[in-house]
Amino acid sequence: AQSVAQPEDQVNVAEGNPLTVKCTYSVSGNPYLFWYVQYPNRGLQFLLKYITGDNLVKGSYGFEAEFNKSQTSFHLKKPSALVSDSALYFCAVSSGRLSFGAGTTVTVRA
Amino acid sequence: KAGVTQTPRYLIKTRGQQVTLSCSPISGHRSVSWYQQTPGQGLQFLFEYFSETQRNKGNFPGRFSGRQFSNSRSEMNVSTLELGDSALYLCASSPGDSSADTQYFGPGTRLTVL
Repeated sequence: AQSVAQPEDQVNVAEGNPLTVKCTYSVSGNPYLFWYVQYPNRGLQFLLKYITGDNLVKGSYGFEAEFNKSQTSFHLKKPSALVSDSALYFCAVSSGRLSFGAGTTVTVRA
Repeated sequence: KAGVTQTPRYLIKTRGQQVTLSCSPISGHRSVSWYQQTPGQGLQFLFEYFSETQRNKGNFPGRFSGRQFSNSRSEMNVSTLELGDSALYLCASSPGDSSADTQYFGPGTRLTVL
């Protein structure tokens, strides 16, 4: 069985500060890891994914994520958060079907 | 390229009725997956279709069914609706059948069961 965990329900940061959203995973075999973002009353938007190769993955809207095999983590990061980054973020692992974490609500205050 | 489209966007039904939701994938994508999103259970996988064949099925009762057509469009059906079926139903498409493929989501259909 595969699963992901997002240990923080909410993350609050000030605009301009670094943003980190945490994710840990549990899989057998090679992990295919994804980050999605959801704005109110919208579907999920793809941010980035890790398949293989470089542990630092760069994605949309200035986001990046670091794959750490020893810590089984795939944390999402943004060096300087914007108010418009306020949304619900999901980490997911794929084996054909996506298994999602519970989500982390990010609030960026002006 | 146009994104994934889902119709209708909103539905209100009463208990016991049935409902059909439609999903048109991104042009050229052959795989379509369906997910249910609720505040209590989060995002849960319903089923996946590839080339008109159901490849994966989540842990949902038989009242939930789906199909995929030769043009890759997909429909899901829920029969004998229950209050607990109220949710946002999301469809996602991907190019092929690899676990590494990115799934692109539609805006969802918001189903309310009264």
